[in-house]
Amino acid sequence: QQPVQSPQAVILREGEDAVINCSSSKALYSVHWYRQKHGEAPVFLMILLKGGEQMRHEKISASFNEKKQQSSLYLTASQLSYSGTYFCGTESHGQNFVFGPGTRLSVLP
Amino acid sequence: DAGVIQSPRHEVTEMGQEVTLRCKPISGHNSLFWYRQTMMRGLELLIYFNNNVPIDDSGMPEDRFSAKMPNASFSTLKIQPSEPRDSAVYFCASSSRDRDTDTQYFGPGTRLTVL
Repeated sequence: QQPVQSPQAVILREGEDAVINCSSSKALYSVHWYRQKHGEAPVFLMILLKGGEQMRHEKISASFNEKKQQSSLYLTASQLSYSGTYFCGTESHGQNFVFGPGTRLSVLP
Repeated sequence: DAGVIQSPRHEVTEMGQEVTLRCKPISGHNSLFWYRQTMMRGLELLIYFNNNVPIDDSGMPEDRFSAKMPNASFSTLKIQPSEPRDSAVYFCASSSRDRDTDTQYFGPGTRLTVL
């Protein structure tokens, strides 16, 4: 079952913050975050493991709440280069690795 | 490092034809993944190899699809016969350890159009 991402899309001004959420109905082993720009391949951002620490990639950080079966991606002081579609991917017991539907982020000058 | 290499970058074929997509992972990586991306279905994991052995192929849509990894530096994804609904961008990715713990590097993708 595909994880749910919210919001589906978000528009920001440069310098603003955003949060993207990823939730699952299943207990998760790990959550992966990727960013994909239009016409390009996805680029891996980070993995959050069960029992692991909050991760960071430049000014982007993420947390993993095992009890709530969800992860959140925090984009701080967004830059134009942050624009793209953000995907979470989840692994859980008895289920393949599966990507969420994506959150489209647009950062405007 | 050249990164993950995929060929061809674009493929246009007619329904019923055989299609072979190729991937060369980053040297030293021991895990390889094939993904498919469409607007309707999003990004789907098709198959995952570790040390050239298929570990999880449950994402392969049907028997028309097959994947091989004869050695650590080469993998193929074959569709026979192809159908219009197979039209998509196919990505190959590799990583240096198992998928739980290391970065996956994606190739540029192969855009497949089946007429």
